[in-house]
Amino acid sequence: DTEVTQTPKHLVMGMTNKKSLKCEQHMGHRAMYWYKQKAKKPPELMFVYSYEKLSINESVPSRFSPECPNSSLLNLHLHALQPEDSALYLCASSLRSGADSYEQYFGPGTRLTVT
Amino acid sequence: GNSVTQMEGPVTLSEEAFLTINCTYTATGYPSLFWYVQYPGEGLQLLLKATKADDKGSNKGFEATYRKETTSFHLEKGSVQVSDSAVYFCALSDAPFLNDMRFGAGTRLTVKP
Repeated sequence: DTEVTQTPKHLVMGMTNKKSLKCEQHMGHRAMYWYKQKAKKPPELMFVYSYEKLSINESVPSRFSPECPNSSLLNLHLHALQPEDSALYLCASSLRSGADSYEQYFGPGTRLTVT
Repeated sequence: GNSVTQMEGPVTLSEEAFLTINCTYTATGYPSLFWYVQYPGEGLQLLLKATKADDKGSNKGFEATYRKETTSFHLEKGSVQVSDSAVYFCALSDAPFLNDMRFGAGTRLTVKP
């Protein structure tokens, strides 16, 4: 099983709303990532979790709050977003060590629209 | 720092045509190289990879060879199908599970019947 799942598939939220994105993998991967992808652009890294601990935050605004409750789950909590935050949010995972640890497996993404 | 440069698209081909998408990289270490494909409305799928010089990655009729001397990893397919229409991203990583996955800008391929 090389699947990363993400819910919801689509999300529309107002600027005062609070919502969460969810990501799940059951491949035993101990590194998990959040990316933001704008139209016609490559993914931009937001956060990296390694062994359930936040190891990288790419200067992301505090209105995005990641959480890793366990080794299989990754959440992204959203609050007071701006219209420019509308994008495809991708979750990915990878092995934490070993020769295959370089490749990342991506979920299908959550299409977020902020109104 | 590490970087990836891809040929600009979009690329439009007729079905059964030969495909080449050029990718060159700059890296200080010995990176692993990847091609990812993104179909409309979907996430990225790992298409193929190569982890050392002269390795050839292949999958679904696509191939790419890791050329250290020319710092290239060009994607090729002998006969494209309409279903290959997608955006293709070249990427490299030489520091796993960190922030070192570098993506190219992406090349949009459209295959017409």
